[in-house]
Amino acid sequence: AQSVTQLGSHVSVSEGALVLLRCNYSSSVPPYLFWYVQYPNQGLQLLLKYTTGATLVKGINGFEAEFKKSETSFHLTKPSAHMSDAAEYFCAVSDQAGGTSYGKLTFGQGTILTVHP
Amino acid sequence: EPEVTQTPSHQVTQMGQEVILRCVPISNHLYFYWYRQILGQKVEFLVSFYNNEISEKSEIFDDQFSVERPDGSNFTLKIRSTKLEDSAMYFCASKIEGNTEAFFGQGTRLTVV
Repeated sequence: AQSVTQLGSHVSVSEGALVLLRCNYSSSVPPYLFWYVQYPNQGLQLLLKYTTGATLVKGINGFEAEFKKSETSFHLTKPSAHMSDAAEYFCAVSDQAGGTSYGKLTFGQGTILTVHP
Repeated sequence: EPEVTQTPSHQVTQMGQEVILRCVPISNHLYFYWYRQILGQKVEFLVSFYNNEISEKSEIFDDQFSVERPDGSNFTLKIRSTKLEDSAMYFCASKIEGNTEAFFGQGTRLTVV
């Protein structure tokens, strides 16, 4: 079974400050890891993903995340927050599809990011 | 850019009624999913569909729920007899193959009264 824990249901930063959203996962097999963003009244949009290879992955809108196997973490960062980054962010884990797995996503509980002027 | 389309965006139904939520996945995608998000809670997996059959389902996906891909393009979720606790945002997602990211639709907000 897989699980995801996002530390902090709400994070508040000032515009221009560093954004750090924490995600820890549990998986019995090598995971695929994702960050999705949900703006108010909209669907889920993929920010970035880790499957294999380079552990630091870059996504859209200046976000990046680093896969740390030893810490079972996949924290999301952005050097300088912008007002438009205000949204809810979901970390998700999937095992590799194939065999008995069909690549379903298990989501964390979400972190609401507020950006103050 | 191709996208997953869901209709309607909002549906209100009376308890006990049947509802059908519709999704048009991206055309060359092979894996299809339904997820739901109860207000204030996490996004939860309901069911996956591959090769014209259910490949995996969660414990939420009981006999009240069914999925269908009737014509090779639409992917529907039917709730046979809705309950108040079925009120949620329902997301459809698709992916081209297993080892890629899923693309999500905008969601259908279902309100059961």
